[in-house]
Amino acid sequence: GAGVSQSPRYKVAKRGQDVALRCDPISGHVSLFWYQQALGQGPEFLTYFQNEAQLDKSGLPSDRFFAERPEGSVSTLKIQRTQQEDSAVYLCASSLPNGENTEAFFGQGTRLTVV
Amino acid sequence: KQEVTQIPAALSVPEGENLVLNCSFTDSAIYNLQWFRQDPGKGLTSLLLIQSSQREQTSGRLNASLDKSSGRSTLYIAASQPGDSATYLCAVPHRGNTPLVFGKGTRLSVIA
Repeated sequence: GAGVSQSPRYKVAKRGQDVALRCDPISGHVSLFWYQQALGQGPEFLTYFQNEAQLDKSGLPSDRFFAERPEGSVSTLKIQRTQQEDSAVYLCASSLPNGENTEAFFGQGTRLTVV
Repeated sequence: KQEVTQIPAALSVPEGENLVLNCSFTDSAIYNLQWFRQDPGKGLTSLLLIQSSQREQTSGRLNASLDKSSGRSTLYIAASQPGDSATYLCAVPHRGNTPLVFGKGTRLSVIA
């Protein structure tokens, strides 16, 4: 596609509900990253995939957070039993295999509000 | 652990002014540095990427410089316009295939 696509753009979940956030990266981009952005803060790393392999999940805040990319393209970030502190914008980024001139391209984000 | 700081946190200027946004990082072993723009409620748009071997990059009215040894980068915006109003973020990867570490951003308002 022309850019990184994320859906839904907005999600309101009741506390305790499970949610799934989707990221469609730029075609051919092997690297895919998920970030969490709280209001007034910079994005913070959650997890990273190279193709279908999850190489780093050190940023996931708890075991309620789970991400997958089974075919090395579309990725899903799942949050189980959502809590109010999970309210944030979730950003997905993709890039080509890394070189010094590799740019990361971001989607529009999914704004999650837990009520 | 890499930490990125952006100063100022917010800036309001009249239209037409030239301005400088600052970014500093604690670990100079970076792969590159990327400047982004974020409009309210939107994702990040890449503005400029400076490779670790470069000292500056230019795109239109934007010029970004990098001084790895001192851990600093600046984003210079010439002849600012109201449409430049947004939050500007800088970010560095520690090395290839590692996640970006972001600053908190500078919120810019350009007043017509």
